[in-house]
Amino acid sequence: AQSVTQLDSHVSVSEGTPVLLRCNYSSSYSPSLFWYVQHPNKGLQLLLKYTSAATLVKGINGFEAEFKKSETSFHLTKPSAHMSDAAEYFCVAPFSSNTGKLIFGQGTTLQVKP
Amino acid sequence: DAGITQSPRHKVTETGTPVTLRCHQTENHRYMYWYRQDPGHGLRLIHYSYGVKDTDKGEVSDGYSVSRSKTEDFLLTLESATSSQTSVYFCATAPTTSGSPNEQFFGPGTRLTVL
Repeated sequence: AQSVTQLDSHVSVSEGTPVLLRCNYSSSYSPSLFWYVQHPNKGLQLLLKYTSAATLVKGINGFEAEFKKSETSFHLTKPSAHMSDAAEYFCVAPFSSNTGKLIFGQGTTLQVKP
Repeated sequence: DAGITQSPRHKVTETGTPVTLRCHQTENHRYMYWYRQDPGHGLRLIHYSYGVKDTDKGEVSDGYSVSRSKTEDFLLTLESATSSQTSVYFCATAPTTSGSPNEQFFGPGTRLTVL
């Protein structure tokens, strides 16, 4: 079975500085992996997804993530934080290859200070 | 988003009453899901559907039932609401690609309070 661990429950950065949100996964096979973002009182929106085509994945709003199989990591980064990036971020993996069920990390709240 | 609506968006009810939440999609996606979101737990799957009249349990299915009589509608019923079911409920849908579901698209959520 797969598992997803987000290593930080809360990250605080200053506007204009880099963002790093960390995610490790456990899987017996190369998975698909996703990052979703949830702004306050909103539903979840897909930021980016890894599906084995390329290890460096670019998403919306300047975010990107790199799949590192040797480290079982899928960290989310952005070179320069914007105030509008303040939200909760979820690293997500399929539960198995064909059920459609997803496993969510517990989420990381990103705070962006002016 | 994928044209997903949830109703009601907010509901307050009393312990012991039945409650039904509706999810409606306009994208003809095969898969539909119900999650609950609670602080410190991320999203947890309650039930999901892989086709009309085809449903299965998720990790927190006790006290909940679902029905899917049409592709576009997926109903979640709390048979007898309890305070522990106070939560935000999200519906999601997924199309299929090569027979397996792709990423999921989420509705706006329903905030349920059980007093």
